[in-house]
Amino acid sequence: EVQLVQSGADMKKPGDSLKISCETSGYIFTNYWIAWVRQMPGKGLELMGVVFPGNSDARYSPSFQGQVTISADRSLTSAYLQWSSLRASDSAMYYCARDGGGGFDFWGQGTLVTVSS
Amino acid sequence: DIVMTQSPDSLAVSLGERATINCESSQSLLDTSTYNNHLAWYQQKPGQPPKLLFFWASTRESGVPDRFTASGSGTHFTLTITSLQPEDVAVYYCQQHSTTPQTFGPGTKLEI
Repeated sequence: EVQLVQSGADMKKPGDSLKISCETSGYIFTNYWIAWVRQMPGKGLELMGVVFPGNSDARYSPSFQGQVTISADRSLTSAYLQWSSLRASDSAMYYCARDGGGGFDFWGQGTLVTVSS
Repeated sequence: DIVMTQSPDSLAVSLGERATINCESSQSLLDTSTYNNHLAWYQQKPGQPPKLLFFWASTRESGVPDRFTASGSGTHFTLTITSLQPEDVAVYYCQQHSTTPQTFGPGTKLEI
């Protein structure tokens, strides 16, 4: 059974760093892209970027380039999304999802990030 | 980037009636080598992650009820729900898979 399990909700202050995780199981981790998707409160889905664990190739949507870092650890079959300096505007729900080729076929449960002073 | 638009923004349909959601892309999503359209549809219920309904524009994901159908090619696509059920209340998104980043449409909120 394919599963993507994300790390728990986190509350940070502006300027803090943060790394959230997406632990996968049930499939060959290195064969599929993993995507990170942001959903701000009451808003739609925004693709932040994707990573191919097979070679750690990471690609970013223009709006998120330079703002976050996406990575993967083959030994832990996990993908990561990290910030070096959070802003209040980073408060959102973040989802990881597996790219099945024609669509994002499996999703994590989401990680709620709250940034507030 | 390819820009995705959806219409309407929201839709109220009576139980048992038909709901139709439209999606348009700024560039053709048709792969002329495979004749697949790189378009996916998702359903997101409150408090849940999105769920993949269709890929390649019209291929139903396993477990999706057959009252859901999807069609279209090139730049115009449609998701249809016949005989609306209470559990279909959700926001529906289209997404292009032709180029990275795989942009989403803004969503259509479906209510009873």
